[in-house]
Amino acid sequence: AQTVTQSQPEMSVQEAETVTLSCTYDTSENNYYLFWYKQPPSRQMILVIRQEAYKQQNATENRFSVNFQKAAKSFSLKISDSQLGDTAMYFCAFITPGDGGNQFYFGTGTSLTVIP
Amino acid sequence: ETGVTQSPTHLIKTRGQQVTLRCSSQSGHNTVSWYQQALGQGPQFIFQYYREEENGRGNFPPRFSGLQFPNYSSELNVNALELDDSALYLCASSPDRGLLTGEKLFFGSGTQLSVL
Repeated sequence: AQTVTQSQPEMSVQEAETVTLSCTYDTSENNYYLFWYKQPPSRQMILVIRQEAYKQQNATENRFSVNFQKAAKSFSLKISDSQLGDTAMYFCAFITPGDGGNQFYFGTGTSLTVIP
Repeated sequence: ETGVTQSPTHLIKTRGQQVTLRCSSQSGHNTVSWYQQALGQGPQFIFQYYREEENGRGNFPPRFSGLQFPNYSSELNVNALELDDSALYLCASSPDRGLLTGEKLFFGSGTQLSVL
């Protein structure tokens, strides 16, 4: 089964501080891609960061970075220098290309609040 | 370049009715996916269309059906609405075969469907 688990339903962080969101996943495939998406109150899902499973180097995008542990099937997101605009739902997801229509598998999300 | 647009933004229906949701893909994208996001959950894959043909389907009953048109716009139709169909319906597009290489999805802001 293809599953994504986000064990932190809600988190908060002080502005300018660092926060880490956890994600574990399960797949028997070797070729897959991992994502973190952000969903603000506008409801539109916005890509935060993407990681190819075959790359050992952790992806980074400005203040956002991941800790990808393939053997442990763990894919956490670190947000540095948190800003008020980071307040949103964050979803971890993966895709295994060619599997049943190339569907994304999403977790249940973590609601992040940045406190001024 | 235009993004993914969905209409309507909100919709209220009664149990047993039928509904059609619409989506215009991002310019140049010929693959569209539909997701259902129930309250407090992550998006769940309904189906995907590639060049007007269904290209994969999630665990949804046949009363969920779709169409993709030559201009790559798309519709999601739901017949015999049930209370549990109340959710945010997200449309997402991607470029030609992009999902096979783990490209990101471009999401619309969704249609919030309430079934009374």
